[in-house]
Amino acid sequence: EVQLVESGGGLVQPGGSLRLSCAASGFTFSSYWMSWARQAPGKGLEWVANIKQDGSEKYYVDSVKGRFTISRDNAKNSLYLQLNSLRAEDTAVYYCARHKRTGFDYWGQGTLVTVS
Amino acid sequence: DIQMTQSPSSLSASVGDRVTITCQASQDISNSLNWYQQKPGKAPKLLIYDVSNLETGVPSRFSGSASGTDFTFTISSLQPEDTATYYCQHFDNLPMYIFGQGTKLEIK
Repeated sequence: EVQLVESGGGLVQPGGSLRLSCAASGFTFSSYWMSWARQAPGKGLEWVANIKQDGSEKYYVDSVKGRFTISRDNAKNSLYLQLNSLRAEDTAVYYCARHKRTGFDYWGQGTLVTVS
Repeated sequence: DIQMTQSPSSLSASVGDRVTITCQASQDISNSLNWYQQKPGKAPKLLIYDVSNLETGVPSRFSGSASGTDFTFTISSLQPEDTATYYCQHFDNLPMYIFGQGTKLEIK
């Protein structure tokens, strides 16, 4: 069974940092592009960043470029998102998701980041 | 940039009704259009990928279609468990993954 489990969220002051983790199991993690997406309270979904299977390509939504860094450790079946220079508008539930074709077929349960 | 306009933003329908949600792209996006269901407090769930392909395990009352830049998501016979918010999503080659604004579906 495919499982994605996020951790690392919490309350942080503006300008602060957090590192989110996503532990993957039930599939060959190293064979898949992976993404982070987020959802602000009461709002819609927003894709944040993605990373190629070997980590050689990474892409970000404009609003987080230069502040967030996506990475992965295939030996540990883990995906990460380093969040720096956090702003109030970064407050959201952050999801990791596995890619399928042009979308995402498995999502974690999410981890809440509150910037205040 | 490609814009995705999803409508309606909310709707209310009765059990057994046929329900339709639309996503309009600002330009041609080929078949790069997916649909998700999200229930309160839960992660999104992929229902339809590449316009009309039903994800494994998803009931056949859910379907998707396209006509030009207009994409349609249909529930053929609404069930009580279908109460949720539905999102369309497009992949742009920039790359960017663009979600529609969402449609909140409630049962009358």
